[in-house]
Amino acid sequence: DAGVIQSPRHEVTEMGQEVTLRCKPISGHDYLFWYRQTMMRGLELLIYFNNNVPIDDSGMPEDRFSAKMPNASFSTLKIQPSEPRDSAVYFCASTFRGVVNEQYFGPGTRLTVT
Amino acid sequence: QKEVEQNSGPLSVPEGAIASLNCTYSDRGSQSFFWYRQYSGKSPELIMFIYSNGDKEDGRFTAQLNKASQYVSLLIRDSQPSDSATYLCAGGSTSYGKLTFGQGTILTVHP
Repeated sequence: DAGVIQSPRHEVTEMGQEVTLRCKPISGHDYLFWYRQTMMRGLELLIYFNNNVPIDDSGMPEDRFSAKMPNASFSTLKIQPSEPRDSAVYFCASTFRGVVNEQYFGPGTRLTVT
Repeated sequence: QKEVEQNSGPLSVPEGAIASLNCTYSDRGSQSFFWYRQYSGKSPELIMFIYSNGDKEDGRFTAQLNKASQYVSLLIRDSQPSDSATYLCAGGSTSYGKLTFGQGTILTVHP
């Protein structure tokens, strides 16, 4: 079975531009998580969804960040406008409630904002 | 205070030795604990989970949980250079989906 799929794998953009990161969870998983990882702050949960509904977005750093999950097989994380401090690796993870908390991570998107 | 804290390391052990990684947590509502391994430039990979007090063994890995002391550990026996990675401890509740991760411990196993 395919794991969590993320695109793009690398993104380099200029400050002020809009960035959209994409995620396809593992089929049948009903939880989806967006994380950000930096050396300074480690792995931070930004937002998570259950059955396509946002449950906790308290980790979203500011209004420049938004996330959507229009259906069970697709989610986006958007940053507009992007800033250099947004440079990080963004991971998407998914899990199935029957094995709650055993999250499976995608390969990540390395974002560089210049 | 962070909800999940790990001994920051880095930890360096010789090949064949036992590596001991430790984690404490502050949320008594946490019921399940996970150890993820993350190689440089890769995504976290689940290697062990534990729900009950005591020890859980899987090959060279043993996870230990002591809920009274709010302490979780991971022992790696017969450490190999391929075990060199960052190890992330995470805690969660079965009543909701999210995990809280520690900062990670960098382990280096030298030949």
